[in-house]
Amino acid sequence: DAGITQSPRHKVTETGTPVTLRCHQTENHRYMYWYRQDPGHGLRLIHYSYGVKDTDKGEVSDGYSVSRSKTEDFLLTLESATSSQTSVYFCAVRDRGGQPQHFGDGTRLSIL
Amino acid sequence: AQSVTQLGSHVSVSEGALVLLRCNYSSSVPPYLFWYVQYPNQGLQLLLKYTTGATLVKGINGFEAEFKKSETSFHLTKPSAHMSDAAEYFCAVTSTKAAGNKLTFGGGTRVLVKP
Repeated sequence: DAGITQSPRHKVTETGTPVTLRCHQTENHRYMYWYRQDPGHGLRLIHYSYGVKDTDKGEVSDGYSVSRSKTEDFLLTLESATSSQTSVYFCAVRDRGGQPQHFGDGTRLSIL
Repeated sequence: AQSVTQLGSHVSVSEGALVLLRCNYSSSVPPYLFWYVQYPNQGLQLLLKYTTGATLVKGINGFEAEFKKSETSFHLTKPSAHMSDAAEYFCAVTSTKAAGNKLTFGGGTRVLVKP
């Protein structure tokens, strides 16, 4: 258990509304990641963070923003949700290079 | 750039039979390779990893994988399938050169175990 909590676990919202997902970790991991999982695509990286206030884009970052004001929290925001952002979102954490990432239990987001 | 291809999105095996899941990767530098398992409505759990050293790596639940550089492969095997092995399996690659050690995942292989 890497001490990762994702909230909420489930959310249904409407197109055009803002949505924020939270990833909270308790073990002082330096790196944090946000992925989305869609059938046939595996997991695709949205954004990641390599320290407080240090973030970078992944391969599917359009329409998403992130913030990390504290080591333990990494927020993913959909400024104006679209139906194409309906997905399962996973947070992951990691320490040193070469070490595996450890994943949270996911947030299932439905945008109607 | 790095990429991962998992051959077969679905695999069906009989209980007690060999499980073989194929993973081929592309990386311009020495890779770090991982297999993860995902049970329904759960996150991904690490099965095993290869970073350096021995090319045959053993993981949890009786799984193992062999890194073959010449074939750019990292296939996952288990000698005898159990019903509890029914899940989705993901191969992933990263390297020391990947910014943030970002993982690139394959599309996943869903395993069905028949009694």
